[in-house]
Amino acid sequence: EAGVAQSPRYKIIEKRQSVAFWCNPISGHATLYWYQQILGQGPKLLIQFQNNGVVDDSQLPKDRFSAERLKGVDSTLKIQPAKLEDSAVYLCASSLDPGHEQYFGPGTRLTVT
Amino acid sequence: QKEVEQNSGPLSVPEGAIASLNCTYSDRGSQSFFWYRQYSGKSPELIMSIYSNGDKEDGRFTAQLNKASQYVSLLIRDSQPSDSATYLCAVMSGNQFYFGTGTSLTVIP
Repeated sequence: EAGVAQSPRYKIIEKRQSVAFWCNPISGHATLYWYQQILGQGPKLLIQFQNNGVVDDSQLPKDRFSAERLKGVDSTLKIQPAKLEDSAVYLCASSLDPGHEQYFGPGTRLTVT
Repeated sequence: QKEVEQNSGPLSVPEGAIASLNCTYSDRGSQSFFWYRQYSGKSPELIMSIYSNGDKEDGRFTAQLNKASQYVSLLIRDSQPSDSATYLCAVMSGNQFYFGTGTSLTVIP
C-alpha cells in the first residue's frame, strides 16, 4: 500500500513570495490533515478535511494560508505572502476517518529568507 | 493550559533498559490516544494507538492508559540505540487532534 505522498520535499523562497504544497493521501482515506511543525515543537494542526469538506481550520492563518481538497483526494496548501515565521516543515497526514490512526507523508521543509 | 503535555527530556537510558515516556492531557472526554516516533529530519511514524483503559502490548512497546488520572504512557523494553528519537503523544479530543511537544530519548550503547 502506497503511503502519503508530498511534494516538493524542500522549498526556499523569499518573504512576501507565494508557495504551494501538494499532498496525495493513502487510497481510501477520507480524512486529510495539514500540520505545521516548527523545529523543537510538536505538529500543529492547520486544517482538517473530511472528503472535500473542511472539518476544522481554526488554527489556519486565513489571511495568508489557504487549502483545498477538490474531489476529496489530493490537497494543496498555499501561503501567500510568506513571512519569515512560516519557516517550518509542513506535514500532510491521512486517516480512514477522524479518530483513527493518522499516517504522515515525508513533509515539505520550507525556508523563508 | 496545554491540551497535551510531555516532559521534553532529554531522557537517556542504557541499551537493554526500559524507557518510560509519559503524557498527560487536559480534556477528560478525550477518546483516542496515540504514540508516534519521529527521527531527526523525518516525519512522525505511528507506533501504537490505545482507546481503552489498561495496557496494550506490541512487541517491545507497551502503551498504558489511565483515563481517571488523564495520562498515557509508553514503555519500551530492551531499549536499542535505534530507538533514539523524539516520541510524540497525540490525543483525539472531540473532533480535534492534539500533539504534545515530544520527549527526546537517547539510548546509550
